[in-house]
Amino acid sequence: GNSVTQMEGPVTLSEEAFLTINCTYTATGYPSLFWYVQYPGEGLQLLLKATKADDKGSNKGFEATYRKETTSFHLEKGSVQVSDSAVYFCALIYGGSQGNLIFGKGTKLSVKP
Amino acid sequence: GAGVSQSPRYKVAKRGQDVALRCDPISGHVSLFWYQQALGQGPEFLTYFQNEAQLDKSGLPSDRFFAERPEGSVSTLKIQRTQQEDSAVYLCASSLDDGRNSPLHFGNGTRLTVT
Repeated sequence: GNSVTQMEGPVTLSEEAFLTINCTYTATGYPSLFWYVQYPGEGLQLLLKATKADDKGSNKGFEATYRKETTSFHLEKGSVQVSDSAVYFCALIYGGSQGNLIFGKGTKLSVKP
Repeated sequence: GAGVSQSPRYKVAKRGQDVALRCDPISGHVSLFWYQQALGQGPEFLTYFQNEAQLDKSGLPSDRFFAERPEGSVSTLKIQRTQQEDSAVYLCASSLDDGRNSPLHFGNGTRLTVT
C-alpha cells in the first residue's frame, strides 16, 4: 500500500546545528511529496513540496530532494534556530488519488539555545 | 479571520452519545478534507469533498461516521454512538485544489474525548 515512514523523535539539537529528518515512502504511480510543520499551538502548515523526481523543495532554509531511486524525501537545514522547534510531518499524495494526503507519524524537533 | 475555523475546540462525550464537529473552510476553497489524529500519530485521512460532492470517504472507520457539506462551504463531521477509540483530534483542511498544487490549510482541530 501507500505509506510514509519517517524517523522517530524526539530530536534535540543545539542552535546552529545541522538537521536531517529522514523520510522514505512507498507509493503507487508517481506521488507528490510534502513536508508539513506544526508549530506549538498552531495548525499544520505546508513547509515545502516536490512533485517529480529530482525536484528540490525549499523554504525558510529547509530543503528536501525527491529521490526516486531511494524513495526518499529527507528534510535538511544547515543551521537550526530555536524558532524551528515544532513537529514535522512527511506526506505524499499518490498518483491517481484525489485529496488523500498520507502522513507519516511526525518527528518532534526541539532546538535549545 | 482568513483561516480554517473549527468548533468546538474541545468536546467531551460520554460513550454512546452522538457528536457533531463543525468546519468553516477558507472562503473560495473548493476542496475540504477531514483527518483524524490520534495521540503521537500523524493525521489519518477520513474523507474529502470537492464543493458539495463527497468524492472519497474511504477513510471513515465505520458507518458511525458521517460527513456532509451540503452547500459546498461549511462541513460537519458527525459521529454516532461514540466509542472510546474515537478519542482523537479531528482536523479539517481546505484547499484551492486537491492538495497537489495548492497547499492544504488546516484548522487547529477539535479534540474529542470519549469517557
